Amino acid sequence: RKEVEQDPGPFNVPEGATVAFNCTYSNSASQSFFWYRQDCRKEPKLLMSVYSSGNEDGRFTAQLNRASQYISLLIRDSKLSDSATYLCVVSSGGYNKLIFGAGTRLAVHP
Amino acid sequence: DTAVSQTPKYLVTQMGNDKSIKCEQNLGHDTMYWYKQDSKKFLKIMFSYNNKELIINETVPNRFSPKSPDKAHLNLHINSLELGDSAVYFCATRGQVPHEQYFGPGTRLTVT
Repeated sequence: RKEVEQDPGPFNVPEGATVAFNCTYSNSASQSFFWYRQDCRKEPKLLMSVYSSGNEDGRFTAQLNRASQYISLLIRDSKLSDSATYLCVVSSGGYNKLIFGAGTRLAVHP
Repeated sequence: DTAVSQTPKYLVTQMGNDKSIKCEQNLGHDTMYWYKQDSKKFLKIMFSYNNKELIINETVPNRFSPKSPDKAHLNLHINSLELGDSAVYFCATRGQVPHEQYFGPGTRLTVT
């Protein structure tokens, strides 16, 4: 079983749609959780950290369920510029080792 | 001013050659990483250095040798390159915001 698993996608949605990505992780000792975004042929960039209480940043909402070892990302009112691959990332250990999911590709069309 | 830079951006070489990739950061961060992203886009950590000391060494062939001459630099040397080494290699640093990592633009290595 992979340490971090995500819906592979691709998700093809029209502009303005709401889309949700799911992620599960296997290590119950994981300490920190993130969503990163990676554009085609570019480096990953932090989109947002994920907290147990849930957190929101504009059109993006992230949720964490430690009991189920489940992380989600909700994007409201999708824009063309949201088209990218979204990486679920989990950190564990004292040296902040990041474990990346394989990513979910999102394509927003007009 | 680029925070994390890598050279070269593209590297095409033949099997059996030895090559190096360089990484430099001007963020003053103590921890640096090397990641490999293969053709399936799976991003996996290879090494991590904290203040010039190796702290993470994943199961990577010993043909790969990282070197950190100072806190701002982490280089990756690869001996006897193989076809399977073709990938994008990303350097990253860890920021002050807990656990946030900043990635360089990547080096696309193609072994023919």
